[in-house]
Amino acid sequence: QKEVEQDPGPLSVPEGAIVSLNCTYSNSAFQYFMWYRQYSRKGPELLMYTYSSGNKEDGRFTAQVDKSSKYISLFIRDSQPSDSATYLCAMSGYDTGNQFYFGTGTSLTVIP
Amino acid sequence: SQTIHQWPATLVQPVGSPLSLECTVEGTSNPNLYWYRQAAGRGLQLLFYSVGIGQISSEVPQNLSASRPQDRQFILSSKKLLLSDSGFYLCAWSTGSAETQYFGPGTRLLVL
Repeated sequence: QKEVEQDPGPLSVPEGAIVSLNCTYSNSAFQYFMWYRQYSRKGPELLMYTYSSGNKEDGRFTAQVDKSSKYISLFIRDSQPSDSATYLCAMSGYDTGNQFYFGTGTSLTVIP
Repeated sequence: SQTIHQWPATLVQPVGSPLSLECTVEGTSNPNLYWYRQAAGRGLQLLFYSVGIGQISSEVPQNLSASRPQDRQFILSSKKLLLSDSGFYLCAWSTGSAETQYFGPGTRLLVL
């Protein structure tokens, strides 16, 4: 079993839709949870970062962490064609030896 | 603010040739540094990480090596490239507490 599981998609939605991206994990030592956006042929860009459980909002983006279920989500409201990219979740913790654990990424296309 | 540089952006090399990819970080001191490889349509594979000058941890045995000659410089090398070394190479940094990780723009390597 992988440490982090993420549905690869692809996911295709119309412009203006609400997008939900999800990851599950197995290691209860994870404390920090990140979402990255990666455009084609570019390096991943950090979108959101949360610590432990709870919600965090930044503009059209909301990150949720449910540690009891080992489940994290990223919601994108009013999706735009510029949101078309691959989204990667990532996790780390005090006991993960300075390493980060990534999902394989979900490919999202927002259709104008 | 912190900035991470990688060069070259693109590289085409023949099988059996040497390799040297360089990564430098600005605006922070004593970062953790990482090399990843990302194959097309696949997740991030951690190759090496370093918590200080001269300290290298290898995650995957292969014909690649890494060095950290200065605090904010990380180099990925190979004496003889294989076809299977083709891919997208990403350098990243984090603080010592490993809460978040920031990526460089990447180097696309094609071995022919």
